[in-house]
Amino acid sequence: QVQLVESGGGVVQPGRSLRLSCAASGFTFSSYAVHWVRQAPGKGLEWVAVISYDGSNKHFADSVKGRFTISRDNSKNALSLQMNSLKVEDTAVYYCAKDRAPVGLDYWGQGTLVTVSS
Amino acid sequence: SYEVTQPPSVSVSPGQTASITCSGDKLGDKYTCWYQQKPGQSPVLVIFQDMKRPSGIPERFSGSNSGSTATLTISGTQAMDEADYYCQAWDSKTAWGVFGGGTRLTVL
Repeated sequence: QVQLVESGGGVVQPGRSLRLSCAASGFTFSSYAVHWVRQAPGKGLEWVAVISYDGSNKHFADSVKGRFTISRDNSKNALSLQMNSLKVEDTAVYYCAKDRAPVGLDYWGQGTLVTVSS
Repeated sequence: SYEVTQPPSVSVSPGQTASITCSGDKLGDKYTCWYQQKPGQSPVLVIFQDMKRPSGIPERFSGSNSGSTATLTISGTQAMDEADYYCQAWDSKTAWGVFGGGTRLTVL
């Protein structure tokens, strides 16, 4: 069965960096785009970033553009989100999610909590 | 940037039909998806491409999208359907989608 497992969350000070990882299994990882979506405590979902199946195309939400980068290693079925210059407003549960081409996110991980606080 | 709007809350009696709307400029020209999220759980895709149901999603869930409004309809609503529902407007050109603010469905 399809599984997505995020890791790397924790407490970090404003201005610092953190790297999230997502381990995928149960599907042909190299055939699908993958997304990061976040949810601040008690708030709604916010799309963060997407990377194409081969890593050649990447898009970011305006709120993280220039601070976050996304990458993937298809040989390891792994997705990463490098978060730099973190802000208090980046505090959220971060989910990785599989793209259900052409539209939709059909599988989600359990999420990893990132808390940005001094 | 593109935005879609949902009502914060909708209430429905058990067995009745619940309708949750999602509004945006020329939304009918884009694909929409709907997600269900129960407390403490990850979101679940319940409708994609406006009206298609993933396998395992009950037939009581249906969707439509026309003009500036997309609608998620739950027929014969059950207590287990109580959850937050999010619409997502999908731009096939950019391969990503913007979420609505979410609607809390209460079954009472």
